[in-house]
Amino acid sequence: AQSVTQLGSHVSVSEGALVLLRCNYSSSVPPYLFWYVQYPNQGLQLLLKYTTGATLVKGINGFEAEFKKSETSFHLTKPSAHMSDAAEYFCAACIYNQGGKLIFGQGTELSVKP
Amino acid sequence: GAGVSQSPSNKVTEKGKDVELRCDPISGHTALYWYRQSLGQGLEFLIYFQGNSAPDKSGLPSDRFSAERTGGSVSTLTIQRTQQEDSAVYLCAVTSGASYNEQFFGPGTRLTVL
Repeated sequence: AQSVTQLGSHVSVSEGALVLLRCNYSSSVPPYLFWYVQYPNQGLQLLLKYTTGATLVKGINGFEAEFKKSETSFHLTKPSAHMSDAAEYFCAACIYNQGGKLIFGQGTELSVKP
Repeated sequence: GAGVSQSPSNKVTEKGKDVELRCDPISGHTALYWYRQSLGQGLEFLIYFQGNSAPDKSGLPSDRFSAERTGGSVSTLTIQRTQQEDSAVYLCAVTSGASYNEQFFGPGTRLTVL
């Protein structure tokens, strides 16, 4: 069965520090992978996605993620955190030929300290 | 996202009542998904519609839940005989032909069952 695991329900970093949010997936076939962000009282917004091709993908707001098949990981990084990055982040996976329904991780709440 | 609206934004109901949640997607979308976001279960897939195919109902938690999509556009999620554990935010998402593997989420309906 397909699953997504996010390590750490809460991550706190200082402004300007590296952001690293971890995501691992379990799937019998390579999935499509996504990171979504949810700001307080707002809907989900796509940050970036990996489908095929280049394994390092860049998204909005300076975020990027690298697909590592050997590690079944898709960690999200940003070199320098900004106060406005405080939000909840969700990693998700889907198998395209299974209708594209997303399987989400439990989410990681990112706090940014001044 | 701007391409999906949901109504109502908030719904408070009494245990045992039926509720209907509405999703109005952008025209020309290719697939429509319903998800549920709750404190205990995180983000869960419920059901999806694509074209004229039979909907994938594999995520519906019980037979009290049903959904339809009329005219290939507006979708309604119905919960009969609501229970307190149904309290959650219900999210609608769509894909478009331009980006078939990218789901655009609506703002959600927050359902509270008293």
